[in-house]
Amino acid sequence: EADIYQTPRYLVIGTGKKITLECSQTMGHDKMYWYQQDPGMELHLIHYSYGVNSTEKGDLSSESTVSRIRTEHFPLTLESARPSHTSQYLCASSDTTESEKLFFGSGTQLSVL
Amino acid sequence: EDKVVQSPLSLVVHEGDTVTLNCSYEVTNFRSLLWYKQEKKAPTFLFMLTSSGIEKKSGRLSSILDKKELSSILNITATQTGDSAIYLCAVEPGQGGSEKLVFGKGTKLTVNP
Repeated sequence: EADIYQTPRYLVIGTGKKITLECSQTMGHDKMYWYQQDPGMELHLIHYSYGVNSTEKGDLSSESTVSRIRTEHFPLTLESARPSHTSQYLCASSDTTESEKLFFGSGTQLSVL
Repeated sequence: EDKVVQSPLSLVVHEGDTVTLNCSYEVTNFRSLLWYKQEKKAPTFLFMLTSSGIEKKSGRLSSILDKKELSSILNITATQTGDSAIYLCAVEPGQGGSEKLVFGKGTKLTVNP
């Protein structure tokens, strides 16, 4: 079944650690996104990609980086986690013909101690 | 600055009630408005409204776009406990694409049995 997967679902980590949040989709979508969401707040776009080897920064400044080596895979990396990075991270993808219709993963809740 | 405001932020009803959720926006050159349902963590697409499609309906859910009032409503009739979720409204400005979506904070709907 076509879907979008995020791992891990929950991550508790100490300050200074390097982490990678995984996101994979099996729908063949070209566009992929990373959003950050805090409780009761709006989704904010931190990274997006139009396709392989394409990465762009979103409206919300983030110290994270992303890569898009394969169409289906869009991992997000934090080189040195800090408590201010504690948040929920949502990955999404969309088809170029109907790009506003986003398909979201189940999210990763990151807590940095 | 583009902005989307949803109201109310929180709503508690009993099964069988009808609810109306509101979304108002201020964006440059409106292109489309979208509703998503966020259960647990992953938002799922409900409707997309544009100038050429100002009214959508799916089962007990319906949505109308009022371009004059710069707003949209999402109606849910005969609510069920499974309707409990956060309902997100997002607007796409005319300049740019899906990466320019502006989200509201959402309305948290709780349907009690």
